Amino acid sequence: RKEVEQDPGPFNVPEGATVAFNCTYSNSASQSFFWYRQDCRKEPKLLMSVYSSGNEDGRFTAQLNRASQYISLLIRDSKLSDSATYLCVVTHTGRRALTFGSGTRLQVQP
Amino acid sequence: DVKVTQSSRYLVKRTGEKVFLECVQDMDHENMFWYRQDPGLGLRLIYFSYDVKMKEKGDIPEGYSVSREKKERFSLILESASTNQTSMYLCASRSADYGYTFGSGTRLTVV
Repeated sequence: RKEVEQDPGPFNVPEGATVAFNCTYSNSASQSFFWYRQDCRKEPKLLMSVYSSGNEDGRFTAQLNRASQYISLLIRDSKLSDSATYLCVVTHTGRRALTFGSGTRLQVQP
Repeated sequence: DVKVTQSSRYLVKRTGEKVFLECVQDMDHENMFWYRQDPGLGLRLIYFSYDVKMKEKGDIPEGYSVSREKKERFSLILESASTNQTSMYLCASRSADYGYTFGSGTRLTVV
C-alpha cells in the first residue's frame, strides 16, 4: 500500500464548477501536509499548506481529518488556468524528506 | 523567494557516460533532495543531504551518487548512465518546518 494515495483522475469539469480532491495517508505519525500544483512538464510548486483547523486561500480550501487520515482540496469557480496535476504531500517525524502522492489530474473545460 | 537552480534544462547523454547534475539554492537551507519523476510512478526520492558532506539514501539510490561539498550546492552523479535513467530529475531545498522549493528540473535522455 502506498503511503500517500490519490485518485489519479482525470477530473474533467466545466469552467465555474466546484471540484474536490481527496488524499489518504497511512502513517499516523504524519505531521505536516501540503498541496502542490504541477503544470505539464514543469516542476511542482507549493499551492498551500494544510492546517488542522482547515484553511482557505481565495478559491481554494484545504481540510485535514486526522482521525480518518485524509486531506482534501476544494476548488470553487474553476478556471481554465486551474488545469494541472495536484499533488498531496505529507511529512512525518523521523523522515526529513516529503512523501508525495502520485497526483490527481484536473482538466477544466470551456 | 527561495531560488533553486538546476544547471541544465535538457541533457542528452550516451550509455556508459558519467553524468553530473548540479543544483544550487540561495537560502542557506540545510536540507536538499534529488528526485526523479516518471509517468505513472510519481516522484521518487533518490538521495538527500541534511548538511555539508552528509547524505542519506532515498528510496531508489542504485546507480546514483551525490556530493555536497558546500551548503548551497548538491550534485547528483550517474556513475554510468543507462537508458532506464532517462527521466525528469528534480532538485529541491527545504527549511526546517516548511515544504519544498523545487528547481525547474532537468530532462535527461540517455541514448
